[in-house]
Amino acid sequence: GAVVSQHPSRVICKSGTSVKIECRSLDFQATTMFWYRQFPKQSLMLMATSNEGSKATYEQGVEKDKFLINHASLTLSTLTVTSAHPEDSSFYICSARDLSSDTQYFGPGTRLTVL
Amino acid sequence: EDQVTQSPEALRLQEGESSSLNCSYTVSGLRGLFWYRQDPGKGPEFLFTLYSAGEEKEKERLKATLTKKESFLHITAPKPEDSATYLCAVQGAYNTDKLIFGTGTRLQVFP
Repeated sequence: GAVVSQHPSRVICKSGTSVKIECRSLDFQATTMFWYRQFPKQSLMLMATSNEGSKATYEQGVEKDKFLINHASLTLSTLTVTSAHPEDSSFYICSARDLSSDTQYFGPGTRLTVL
Repeated sequence: EDQVTQSPEALRLQEGESSSLNCSYTVSGLRGLFWYRQDPGKGPEFLFTLYSAGEEKEKERLKATLTKKESFLHITAPKPEDSATYLCAVQGAYNTDKLIFGTGTRLQVFP
């Protein structure tokens, strides 16, 4: 089956620093990738849709200057949390859409803790 | 507005006790209904896609069915390793990029 990786799996940073999370589709090309945020015992909240070679589309209420998304190739999208604060601590999950099956496959997630 | 409601929120089963999880949906033109399994601290794992009413898919102890208003995930003779949160999501025909997720059913299977 289609595999999506995320790196790092866990990161702890100080308030005010920036953190970059990578999402890769390992065995298929993904023109569209998605970034989600998940709070404890809650479902996934879509933050933005990332399209290769163009600007990301952000959901209402998501600050585009705080959550920078770059989709530079058909297998890689990155999410940078800029000037992170404790309230940004969360579980971030990416997904990639495999066009051959029109199915989103998810990465394992990144646990971000901002001190 | 596209919407997905899952029930029950939580389900506790004895090993071997079969049951069903429900996913009710409202969407403007269904392009696909997806079932995922999520273990704590991990990303969702794809299980099934259903496209039209009457369609059924099976994988080991799981069977997913679809009507025009809802989908069921039937679990036959569950084992403790089936314990997880099961998420249902729909993809509408007019907003094909997004998945609309339900809040999930937390399943616990006890030996």
